[in-house]
Amino acid sequence: GENVEQHPSTLSVQEGDSAVIKCTYSDSASNYFPWYKQELGKRPQLIIDIRSNVGEKKDQRIAVTLNKTAKHFSLHITETQPEDSAVYFCAGGGGNEKLTFGTGTRLTIIP
Amino acid sequence: GAVVSQHPSRVICKSGTSVKIECRSLDFQATTMFWYRQFPKKSLMLMATSNEGSKATYEQGVEKDKFLINHASLTLSTLTVTSAHPEDSSFYICSARAGHAGTEAFFGQGTRLTVV
Repeated sequence: GENVEQHPSTLSVQEGDSAVIKCTYSDSASNYFPWYKQELGKRPQLIIDIRSNVGEKKDQRIAVTLNKTAKHFSLHITETQPEDSAVYFCAGGGGNEKLTFGTGTRLTIIP
Repeated sequence: GAVVSQHPSRVICKSGTSVKIECRSLDFQATTMFWYRQFPKKSLMLMATSNEGSKATYEQGVEKDKFLINHASLTLSTLTVTSAHPEDSSFYICSARAGHAGTEAFFGQGTRLTVV
């Protein structure tokens, strides 16, 4: 089955700086890679996703890149703000319906 | 986005009793629903995948007789934790998907189960 690894587990950045979270996956059949943001005590919310026919996708301050050959994808948040503080999960799937989640990154934005 | 409602949000039960958790898609028909378990400061661990009208597919290591899943309609899936024990205490969360594999899944708000 799919195995998704995520790094780093914790990340602190100064407000206004950029944050990068990286994930790798193992199943070459995976073709859908969403990123979820989970605030404390709340449900995960999709923030951006990418499909394997695209190398990069951007939505305002958030971007995701995908390297199919190397089987890794990354989340980039620019001009970070305090409200970006949360736990971020990457996931991979699509080949067999289910999503496999990474272990999460706790992002803290320092004012 | 679409709305998935999960109830109850919190439940405390005694050891040996059973607890039912409901997951409803409010404004779309969910062809597939997923049940996850999340330990404190940990990731989402998939327990099972359920498709409407068919038996759930359980992940390795998940006891199907202990975690009963029913997906009787396109808008409702239930997870029943049977004969609960303190080690079953956890955060259980469902997600629902309207389309095919590779489309967005929406999460319920989760259920905090405490078994005493």
